[in-house]
Amino acid sequence: RKEVEQDPGPFNVPEGATVAFNCTYSNSASQSFFWYRQDCRKEPKLLMSVYSSGNEDGRFTAQLNRASQYISLLIRDSKLSDSATYLCVVNPQGSSNTGKLIFGQGTTLQVKP
Amino acid sequence: NAGVMQNPRHLVRRRGQEARLRCSPMKGHSHVYWYRQLPEEGLKFMVYLQKENIIDESGMPKERFSAEFPKEGPSILRIQQVVRGDSAAYFCSAGQDPYEQYFGPGTRLTVT
Repeated sequence: RKEVEQDPGPFNVPEGATVAFNCTYSNSASQSFFWYRQDCRKEPKLLMSVYSSGNEDGRFTAQLNRASQYISLLIRDSKLSDSATYLCVVNPQGSSNTGKLIFGQGTTLQVKP
Repeated sequence: NAGVMQNPRHLVRRRGQEARLRCSPMKGHSHVYWYRQLPEEGLKFMVYLQKENIIDESGMPKERFSAEFPKEGPSILRIQQVVRGDSAAYFCSAGQDPYEQYFGPGTRLTVT
């Protein structure tokens, strides 16, 4: 089983649609969770951290369910510029954190006009 | 990318040659990580270094790959006797501490 699993997609949605991505992780001791965005195989860029209480940044909402080891990202009112690959990322280490990040395969989003 | 530089951006090597990839973090950013992204796959952790020390190399292939981060100068990822399967994008990330990482633009290695 992969440490971080995502549906690779692609998700093809019209502008203005709401789209949700899901991700599961295998290490129950994982402490930090993130969503990154990657455009056309460029470097990944941090989109947002994910907290247990859930967090929102504009049109983006991230949720974490520790009991189910499940992370989600919701994008509302999709824009053409949201087209990218979204990477679910986990830091599997707690107190011995070395910053090592485990990446999911990524979910590709295509927003169509 | 908080000033993390990588060079070269593109590197072509024939099978059996050596590849040297460089990562220059901003001054004061002493934590460096290397990741590899094979085609159609996610990034995979390779190695974590602090100045002059390898902290975690659990993702490094056992042979042909080595990494260093000397007191002065960039971090170097070295691949000896490259094979076609080494063709990938290699990203480094760097930060002042493990909790904050900024990725460089990557080096795309093509082995012919």
